[in-house]
Amino acid sequence: GQSLEQPSEVTAVEGAIVQINCTYQTSGFYGLSWYQQHDGGAPTFLSYNALDGLEETGRFSSFLSRSDSYGYLLLQELQMKDSASYFCAVTGSSYKLIFGSGTRLLVRP
Amino acid sequence: DARVTQTPRHKVTEMGQEVTMRCQPILGHNTVFWYRQTMMQGLELLAYFRNRAPLDDSGMPKDRFSAEMPDATLATLKIQPSEPRDSAVYFCASGTEYEQYFGPGTRLTVT
Repeated sequence: GQSLEQPSEVTAVEGAIVQINCTYQTSGFYGLSWYQQHDGGAPTFLSYNALDGLEETGRFSSFLSRSDSYGYLLLQELQMKDSASYFCAVTGSSYKLIFGSGTRLLVRP
Repeated sequence: DARVTQTPRHKVTEMGQEVTMRCQPILGHNTVFWYRQTMMQGLELLAYFRNRAPLDDSGMPKDRFSAEMPDATLATLKIQPSEPRDSAVYFCASGTEYEQYFGPGTRLTVT
């Protein structure tokens, strides 16, 4: 089967750095994606890692270690608008995207 | 700008009624996905299509749900008959197996 684990909630202060971890178990693995979803909104694509290492896109970075079945999303210079839910998702052998249960990030002033 | 559109945005219906949700994927995207999101179950993949052909609908209750793509610009998800447990937000997305663009969703309430 396939499963993903990520923390249910994270709280951080505006301007700080926060890391959201994701561990996964999947039959076959093609890559790890991250999505952001604001309350009442739709998920929006943030990043995708197919290979080990760090991918940087502005204030957001995503890391993958295939050997550890582990990845994380790093958010720097946190802003209030970053308060949202963040989902990791794996593309496995079935070529379907399987989502984790999401991490709710609360950014405090 | 290119985006996925869905109609209706909200739907309230009584149990037993038929519900049809529509989606227009981004032009040029040949893979379309239907998801359901609830607090309890999170985001679940119901079905997906490539080049209008159904590739996987294993996440869908077969007895009451059906998904089709009559043409490249329209995907439909139908529930007949609807039940209160079907209350959820239904998202359509188009893109690839890892980078998907979601529509705004249809919030369905079945009473």
